[in-house]
Amino acid sequence: AQTVTQSQPEMSVQEAETVTLSCTYDTSESDYYLFWYKQPPSRQMILVIRQEAYKQQNATENRFSVNFQKAAKSFSLKISDSQLGDAAMYFCAYRSRDFGNEKLTFGTGTRLTIIP
Amino acid sequence: NAGVTQTPKFRVLKTGQSMTLLCAQDMNHEYMYWYRQDPGMGLRLIHYSVGEGTTAKGEVPDGYNVSRLKKQNFLLGLESAAPSQTSVYFCASSYSFREALNTEAFFGQGTRLTVV
Repeated sequence: AQTVTQSQPEMSVQEAETVTLSCTYDTSESDYYLFWYKQPPSRQMILVIRQEAYKQQNATENRFSVNFQKAAKSFSLKISDSQLGDAAMYFCAYRSRDFGNEKLTFGTGTRLTIIP
Repeated sequence: NAGVTQTPKFRVLKTGQSMTLLCAQDMNHEYMYWYRQDPGMGLRLIHYSVGEGTTAKGEVPDGYNVSRLKKQNFLLGLESAAPSQTSVYFCASSYSFREALNTEAFFGQGTRLTVV
């Protein structure tokens, strides 16, 4: 079974600075997807960024980028130019591409605080 | 465009009572998931479904049952509620990778359940 570990329960960053959230995972599969989701106080789950395991290039979405290290099974999220609206819980997630068994597994989350 | 809708949004149950949470999606997704979210534990998978008429156990299935009689609906049942089932419940849906690449899961707004 796949597991996802987020070792930082809480992080804080000064507004306009850069912060990196860590995520590691354990799997025996070679093909899968990784995601970062954001959950603001509204409780809505919002997709931030996704990464396909067979793509070596790190995904980027505006101020959000990932550092995907497949051999190390590491998938960190970097937020540049942090804004007050980035304050939220961030969840790392793994989705298997095993046909008929495409479970989506989440880490325990990191609460990000933005300091004005 | 409703997306994923959960009913109800809030509920208080007495120990031993039963209830059903309804999840409806209008995106024709094959996959549907039920999660529970507890502080410090992230989102844990209860049950999931890979298509109409099929269900499978997730990480924490005990005390819950599910049914997927129609492709657009996924029901989560608690037969005899316990205080340990106090949680926020999320439903999600997605295409399978066979249907579409680059697929993400879409989430409902959550149901806050309190068992007293």
